[in-house]
Amino acid sequence: GESVGLHLPTLSVQEGDNSIINCAYSNSASDYFIWYKQESGKGPQFIIDIRSNMDKRQGQRVTVLLNKTVKHLSLQIAATQPGDSAVYFCAENMRETSGSRLTFGEGTQLTVNP
Amino acid sequence: GAGVSQSPSNKVTEKGKDVELRCDPISGHTALYWYRQSLGQGLEFLIYFQGNSAPDKSGLPSDRFSAERTGGSVSTLTIQRTQQEDSAVYLCASSLVAGAGELFFGEGSRLTVL
Repeated sequence: GESVGLHLPTLSVQEGDNSIINCAYSNSASDYFIWYKQESGKGPQFIIDIRSNMDKRQGQRVTVLLNKTVKHLSLQIAATQPGDSAVYFCAENMRETSGSRLTFGEGTQLTVNP
Repeated sequence: GAGVSQSPSNKVTEKGKDVELRCDPISGHTALYWYRQSLGQGLEFLIYFQGNSAPDKSGLPSDRFSAERTGGSVSTLTIQRTQQEDSAVYLCASSLVAGAGELFFGEGSRLTVL
């Protein structure tokens, strides 16, 4: 079936470096993508979203890039801080057939070393 | 409350027993979602409520799972005759408007079936 998946299950970076978390999706009809951050023992927290009519969106210290040609999504975190350590999930939505149902990937564990 | 509230935060039960998990969404949010997260895994969609519309139950894994939402607010997820494979964190989320990407998650109910 169609799925959203992540290239790397773990990512370890030094504090202050930039982090890039990647996500591949297989459903070319998906029109909305979201990144969530989940800290240990907590529910996922919205970070940033992007619609399929865009290829880049920036937030505070975060940038999401969407490449529809290769069905690839990435989350860039600038000047990574220890508080950024968490599991990051990408999620997709295909509103026409899925309504408001989000399909989540398996997650990438980001560890920031001091 | 200010956020999505779930109870109990932890539940340990014996195989074959029924359990009820409760979710209080953010006041005014019309959409409510239940997801399941197994250890180290992504989020698996279970069910979605939107206002007075019929819920999207397409993610419920078996007929032992059911959910209701009373008065357009509080929701209860019921698992009958629990099995060990039901052990997971059950996450509830709400959003202001159907189709809005930012789902606000609760901290989850951790279910352990012995």
